[in-house]
Order: sequence, then C-alpha cells, then structure tokens
Amino acid sequence: GQQVMQIPQYQHVQEGEDFTTYCNSSTTLSNIQWYKQRPGGHPVFLIQLVKSGEVKKQKRLTFQFGEAKKNSSLHITATQTTDVGTYFCAVGGGGYQKVTFGTGTKLQVIP
Amino acid sequence: NAGVTQTPKFQVLKTGQSMTLQCAQDMNHNSMYWYRQDPGMGLRLIYYSASEGTTDKGEVPNGYNVSRLNKREFSLRLESAAPSQTSVYFCASSDRTGASGANVLTFGAGSRLTVL
Repeated sequence: GQQVMQIPQYQHVQEGEDFTTYCNSSTTLSNIQWYKQRPGGHPVFLIQLVKSGEVKKQKRLTFQFGEAKKNSSLHITATQTTDVGTYFCAVGGGGYQKVTFGTGTKLQVIP
Repeated sequence: NAGVTQTPKFQVLKTGQSMTLQCAQDMNHNSMYWYRQDPGMGLRLIYYSASEGTTDKGEVPNGYNVSRLNKREFSLRLESAAPSQTSVYFCASSDRTGASGANVLTFGAGSRLTVL
C-alpha cells in the first residue's frame, strides 16, 4: 500500500516564527490529507489535496501538493500557542481503500 | 450529532485478559477503521471495514479481531491482552468525498488501554 515519510518528527519554535512539515512518498499519490491532533485529543481533518501543484490556504496555514504528486507540505505563518499539536499527513485511494498516516510532526510553540 | 463514540475511554487489563472496544457512528458512513497510536509511531491501522459485512487487515492486525455488527457499529476485540498492546486506540469512520478524493476520516475521542 501507499506509504509516506513525514519530517521533522519534532519541532520547537518561538511564538511568531514560521513552521513547516513535509510528507514524502516514493510513489505517486492520488491525494493527500492533513490532520491536526491537539495534546490529549483526537486527529481532526484539516484539508485534502488532489491536484498536481495544488495550493490551499486556511488563514495562516498553507498546504501544497507537489507537481509530481509525491510530496506535500504544511506551512504555518507566525505560529501561535493554539497551533500546538501533532500534524499528520495521510494518504489513501479513492473509494473505500484504507487510509495510511505518516508518523506525524509534533509542534511545540514557546510563548 | 455525536459523530463517533468509543467506549470505554480508559481500561486497565492484566496480561491474558480479554476485552472489546466498542465504536458507533451516527453519520451513516460506510467505512470504519481502528487505529492504534503509540509515541513516535503515528497512527497505525489495525483493521478496517470498507462497508457493512466486510473487514480487512491493516498494518498491525495480529492479536486483534473485529466485528462489523451493522452499519453503525465496529468493535475491536483483544482475545488475550499483552503489554505490547498498551496504546491509545482510535475508531474512525468515513465516506467518499468524491470521484478523486480519498476518505475523510472522523475520529472518536480514543480509548486508552493499559495492559499490565
């Protein structure tokens, strides 16, 4: 099945600094999803990217899907303490195929 | 709208004991999933059910069994618990987002299981 590597595993930033996490695959992906998990919580869907080169924004969050559909990134501008948590990418085929998660990037924001 | 409900939230077992984690969704979703989450390992798929009446193994199915009781309910059973099964377990459900989209997952709050 499809697998993704996610880096970095951990990231500590000062509040106001930017943050980026990356997902990479050795195979072409049909789509990629991003989820956020707050400490002690459960993963919550953020966004899905489907098209080659797609860029989507949600306020301070920018999501990109690579031209070759083998990588994706999540960039947060001017981090806030509310951004603390673990960010996961996830991949899966259309229809009812299983969804596989990356190992996640744990973000800590220092006030 | 409750979404995905998991029970119990916490459980402590002794090695060799059995238990069932329950999961129910009220969104009329076709697919349901069980994941386990361990530090540094992300979310690993144990079993999933693409639709009522079907179940398939994920990445780490050994030591677990599942039952898709009906469209709403998907249970995970540990027949003989081992310390290696200490983890946080998440149930999720999904439905197709479109022709080219994958399944967007809605997760339950999780069940924290400790096996002594």
